[in-house]
Amino acid sequence: AIQMTQSPSSLSASVGDSVTISCRASQDIRKDFGWYQQKPGKAPKLLIHAASTLESGVPSRFSGSGSGTDFTLTINNVQPEDVAVYYCLQDYYYPWTFGQGTKIEIK
Amino acid sequence: QVHLVESGGGVVQPGRSLRLSCAASGFTFGDYYMHWVRQPPGKGLEWVAVMSHDGSLEYKADSVKGRLSIYRDNSEKKLYLQMDSLKFDDTGVYFCARGVPTSAGGLDYWGQGILVTVSS
Repeated sequence: AIQMTQSPSSLSASVGDSVTISCRASQDIRKDFGWYQQKPGKAPKLLIHAASTLESGVPSRFSGSGSGTDFTLTINNVQPEDVAVYYCLQDYYYPWTFGQGTKIEIK
Repeated sequence: QVHLVESGGGVVQPGRSLRLSCAASGFTFGDYYMHWVRQPPGKGLEWVAVMSHDGSLEYKADSVKGRLSIYRDNSEKKLYLQMDSLKFDDTGVYFCARGVPTSAGGLDYWGQGILVTVSS
């Protein structure tokens, strides 16, 4: 199975900061990759698919980049409502695999 | 709008069985691959299984092969997860999710999740 290594496991940011989360795949997955946001007690929400395509309704301060094995999620101008755990997911081939998650907190 | 509602969770002893259901509405169920994803308490997400739109294909995580079965009834618009020989490690919240039919589309709608607790 493809391993997804996500970093950091947690980060603390001030409102207005920019933050970056990384995810590395153990093999080339082209751009078959997405980012999900999970708030406490809620189901995950798809933010970005195909590595860089923003889902409808997701604020433009979220952006994704990368292809092959290295991917990043950038949140510009972090807002209090961005407090959540963020997961990457490779959907290149089965079994699909998630990263370990990154918890974002506000200072 | 799209709704996915899981049911069938609860407390079950190790070695016993449980069947989860996911009722879908608001879209043409038979056009979509459907997935199960689970989350142990306080931990991350684990992709569990997928079934193709017509039930002809299925894939499962290695951790559940031989014990968990996925199937669907398109006439009833329901997805199922049959869980046999349950282990303590199967404890967690189970989500059903809809797969986007395009390549690399991800999982665009999720149910609210249902808790399964394996305990003696």
